[in-house]
Amino acid sequence: GESVGLHLPTLSVQEGDNSIINCAYSNSASDYFIWYKQESGKGPQFIIDIRSNMDKRQGQRVTVLLNKTVKHLSLQIAATQPGDSAVYFCAETPTTLSGGYNKLIFGAGTRLAVHP
Amino acid sequence: DAGVIQSPRHEVTEMGQEVTLRCKPISGHDYLFWYRQTMMRGLELLIYFNNNVPIDDSGMPEDRFSAKMPNASFSTLKIQPSEPRDSAVYFCASTLAEGTEAFFGQGTRLTVV
Repeated sequence: GESVGLHLPTLSVQEGDNSIINCAYSNSASDYFIWYKQESGKGPQFIIDIRSNMDKRQGQRVTVLLNKTVKHLSLQIAATQPGDSAVYFCAETPTTLSGGYNKLIFGAGTRLAVHP
Repeated sequence: DAGVIQSPRHEVTEMGQEVTLRCKPISGHDYLFWYRQTMMRGLELLIYFNNNVPIDDSGMPEDRFSAKMPNASFSTLKIQPSEPRDSAVYFCASTLAEGTEAFFGQGTRLTVV
C-alpha cells in the first residue's frame, strides 16, 4: 500500500447532533460552490450549492454558509443520522476572465462518522 | 434518465496493456468531465469537454492518457500503455450548463498489476 496519502480529517458526531463541516477554498474568482457527499464505492452525490451573490442557502436538513471575505464555506447538517456517514467534499468553480464557466475543483474532503 | 453511466465498473489489467474507459453522460448535458480519485491526490480533474470539444486537458497526467468525445452521448478515456501508478477510480461527470451541478457516474475502479 501507499505510505503517504491524504489523511482526511474526520468529524465524529452522535446521532441527532448537528454537524458542521468546513472548507477553505482557494480562488477569490470562484462564484459557484457545491457540497458533495460520497459514500463508499459510489460517485460523489450533489447535496447543495450556493452562488457568490449569497451568503446562506438552506435545504432539507442542510445549510451552506459562504464567507467570501475569508474564502470559507461550511456545511451544516441538522439532526445528523447514521445515513449521513460519508466523505463530504466542497467544490468551487472559478470564472474565466470573460465570465465563462471553468472547471469544478474539489477540496480534499472531510469524513463524517455518525455514532448511534 | 438513468444518470451518468460508466463502464466497466471494475478493470484489472497488466502493465503495458491498453485500457479504455467509457462514459455516457446525461442526455442534454453540454459539459462532460473526467476525474481521477486516489488516496494520494484526492479528486483530480483530468479533462473536460463542452459540446464535444475538449476545453481544458491540463490535468491529463501525460501523453499516455487521451480522451475523446465523438458525439454528445459518448466519451472515452484511454490509457496506453498502462502503468501500476494509474490504478485509481476514474469518474465521469456531466452538467447541463455553465455553473450548474455536476452529476457523477459510479466510477470505474482500475487496477494495473
